[in-house]
Order: sequence, then C-alpha cells, then structure tokens
Amino acid sequence: GENVEQHPSTLSVQEGDSAVIKCTYSDSASNYFPWYKQELGKRPQLIIDIRSNVGEKKDQRIAVTLNKTAKHFSLHITETQPEDSAVYFCAATLSGGSNYKLTFGKGTLLTVNP
Amino acid sequence: DAGVIQSPRHEVTEMGQEVTLRCKPISGHDYLFWYRQTMMRGLELLIYFNNNVPIDDSGMPEDRFSAKMPNASFSTLKIQPSEPRDSAVYFCASSQDTLITPQHFGDGTRLSIL
Repeated sequence: GENVEQHPSTLSVQEGDSAVIKCTYSDSASNYFPWYKQELGKRPQLIIDIRSNVGEKKDQRIAVTLNKTAKHFSLHITETQPEDSAVYFCAATLSGGSNYKLTFGKGTLLTVNP
Repeated sequence: DAGVIQSPRHEVTEMGQEVTLRCKPISGHDYLFWYRQTMMRGLELLIYFNNNVPIDDSGMPEDRFSAKMPNASFSTLKIQPSEPRDSAVYFCASSQDTLITPQHFGDGTRLSIL
C-alpha cells in the first residue's frame, strides 16, 4: 500500500523566517496531495492542496511543490507568524475508478518563536 | 453551513461497554470518512462511505468496530466491546462529489476507555 514519510517531525523557526516541510510517497499512481493544519485540541483543516497534473501552487504565504518523478512534495511557509504554530500533515491520495487510498504522514510540529 | 457535526465531544467509559460515536456530514457531500488519531499511529482512515454505501472498511481495526450510514445526513461508528487501546480521538470528515476534493473534518470525539 501507499507509504507517506514526512520530515522533519519537529521544526522550530523564528518569526519572519521560512519553514519547509517535506513528504515522500511510494505509489506513483497517487494523484492528489492535500496539506492539513491542526492546532492543539482542534480538527485538521485543509490549508492547500495540489493535484498530480500541477507542479506548484501558491496561496499567499503558503506554497506547495510536487515532484512526481522523485515522488515527493513540499510545503513552504514564508514570513512565518506565531499563529502558524501547529501540527502540519501531508497526505497522498490515490483515486481512480473504484480504487481509493488516502494515507497521511505522521505530522510536523511547527513552532514559530516570536 | 454548520460544518461536520460530531457527538459526543468527549466520552469516558469503562472497558467492555458499547460506545457509539455520531456524525452529521455537510449537506450535499457525497463522501463520509471516519478517522482515528493517536500519538503512536497518527491519523488513520478507518472506513469511508459514498452515497451512504460503505466502500472500503479495510482500515477498521477489528470486528469490534462497525460503522453505518442509514441516510445522507447521519453516520455512526460503534465499538463493542470497547478496550483501553481504543482510546483516541475519532474524527469524521466529509467531501463533495469526488475523492480528490478537500475533506472537511468535524471537531472530533475524544474517547477514553478506562
């Protein structure tokens, strides 16, 4: 089945710096890659997603890049703010016909220090 | 829209008891997902439904777990009998008309089995 590796498991940055979280996946047929942000005690919330026919997507301070050949995708947060502190999860989705698999990474605890 | 609604928010019960978790998806969403989140295993997909029909329950850990979706606006996840290792946060999520659209999570049920 699909295997998603996420690194690093913890990341501490200074306010205003950039943060990068990387994920690799094993199934080359995976075709949808969402990123979720989960604050302590709260539900995961989608922050950005990318489909396999796109190499990069940006939404204000957040961007995601996808390298299908290498089977990895990354989340980039620029100009980090303390409210960006949370656990971030990547996921890889394989969807085609009656086949569907969704696998989450183990998460990255991002701490933005003021 | 009120979003995905889960109940109860917290449940504490003794092992051996039956536990029923409830979920109301977002109106108009065709897919419903049940997840379990623990520190050790992260976010795991247990089962998902399409138009009230269970499609893939391969993530359900044991026969003690069962899920139903009697109509488009209600689903239950039942554990009988419950065990301490079932303690986790259980999330329900829903999404629209395909499997590669964003999933909207409920606030979760924090389950503690003593």
